Amino acid sequence: DAMVIQNPRYQVTQFGKPVTLSCSQTLNHNVMYWYQQKSSQAPKLLFHYYDKDFNNEADTPDNFQSRRPNTSFCFLDIRSPGLGDAAMYLCATSNPDGGRPYEQYFGPGTRLTVT
Amino acid sequence: GENVEQHPSTLSVQEGDSAVIKCTYSDSASNYFPWYKQELGKGPQLIIDIRSNVGEKKDQRIAVTLNKTAKHFSLHITETQPEDSAVYFCAASNLGSQGNLIFGKGTKLSVKP
Repeated sequence: DAMVIQNPRYQVTQFGKPVTLSCSQTLNHNVMYWYQQKSSQAPKLLFHYYDKDFNNEADTPDNFQSRRPNTSFCFLDIRSPGLGDAAMYLCATSNPDGGRPYEQYFGPGTRLTVT
Repeated sequence: GENVEQHPSTLSVQEGDSAVIKCTYSDSASNYFPWYKQELGKGPQLIIDIRSNVGEKKDQRIAVTLNKTAKHFSLHITETQPEDSAVYFCAASNLGSQGNLIFGKGTKLSVKP
């Protein structure tokens, strides 16, 4: 089945130690999003890629970076994780040129713990 | 920018009863309103959506209504079942711009058998 895959599902990192979260998709969608979701809160958009064009939200901290080497993969890099960065990180995709251009498909998320 | 308010934050109903979750939005340019269901440990899943040129949409036991004048939209679940228990998020988007979703804070729905 076509889907959005996130690895790992659970990640533990130390305060200040760089960490990378991975997202891959088999949907061949040209837009990929990264959201941060803290406990009992709504997902908050960090940034998204439209093909290779990177779009950063104005309030996304510089500590968060992203890479999209090809259509299928997108990475979230947290350069120096703080305790406040502990959250669920959700990857989503959409296909603006497709039959349902506005629908976003979410992966299962990676739960990040910072110790 | 857009702001989406969602109420209630928690909702408990008996199996078979109806559940209603309400959202308001601030940006009159928003024209797409999806509802997502998020089960524990999983990513959000789209359950129903509505565009601003439609006032109501129904899919089996779930329906969404939109009042553009008042800038509010609601999710209605009839004949609730225990498997409907989850967190539900509303969202708003302006498809003419980047199309980014702005989410409400979520409603935790519990359906008691």
